[in-house]
Amino acid sequence: KQEVTQIPAALSVPEGENLVLNCSFTDSAIYNLQWFRQDPGKGLTSLLLIQSSQREQTSGRLNASLDKSSGRSTLYIAASQPGDSATYLCAKGDSGAGSYQLTFGKGTKLSVIP
Amino acid sequence: DTEVTQTPKHLVMGMTNKKSLKCEQHMGHRAMYWYKQKAKKPPELMFVYSYEKLSINESVPSRFSPECPNSSLLNLHLHALQPEDSALYLCASSLGPGPLNTEAFFGQGTRLTVV
Repeated sequence: KQEVTQIPAALSVPEGENLVLNCSFTDSAIYNLQWFRQDPGKGLTSLLLIQSSQREQTSGRLNASLDKSSGRSTLYIAASQPGDSATYLCAKGDSGAGSYQLTFGKGTKLSVIP
Repeated sequence: DTEVTQTPKHLVMGMTNKKSLKCEQHMGHRAMYWYKQKAKKPPELMFVYSYEKLSINESVPSRFSPECPNSSLLNLHLHALQPEDSALYLCASSLGPGPLNTEAFFGQGTRLTVV
């Protein structure tokens, strides 16, 4: 079964600090990798999608990279803010039973301290 | 508009009740998904619909019955649930089921409590 691992499970940083969240996955047969943010008790908000042919994507203070050969993706958050506090999930997209599906990691819970 | 709308936001039901969860999107997406998320766990795939046809059922118990009446609407019918089925149920959609154009958009979820 596909596995997606996220390290660390939790992270606490002071406001303004740059940080990196890590995601690793088994099986390099990947269509894409998607990063999500989830606030407590809420749904998932898509942050960035990296197709398998791409190496990185940027949106504002966020930058996500993908290295298929090593089975790794990172999410870089610049100049962190208290509003960035949430759980960040990475999800690997691939084909299961002929249909696209996402397999999620357990997430990294980020706390940005004012 | 990148919105996936789920109703209701919260649902409490008894083990003998029948209820339905509803999910709607108007982005022209042809793939729709149901996920189940237990507390402090990642979402787990339940069902995938592609072009209104069920393409993946991840061995979900028959007390959960999905339905896709049209390309914009996805329902999850619930019957005779158990307390351990209490969870956040998330609906998602993507443009298509293939490898391209598959950015998934999620709704805010339905918080289900079975008593």
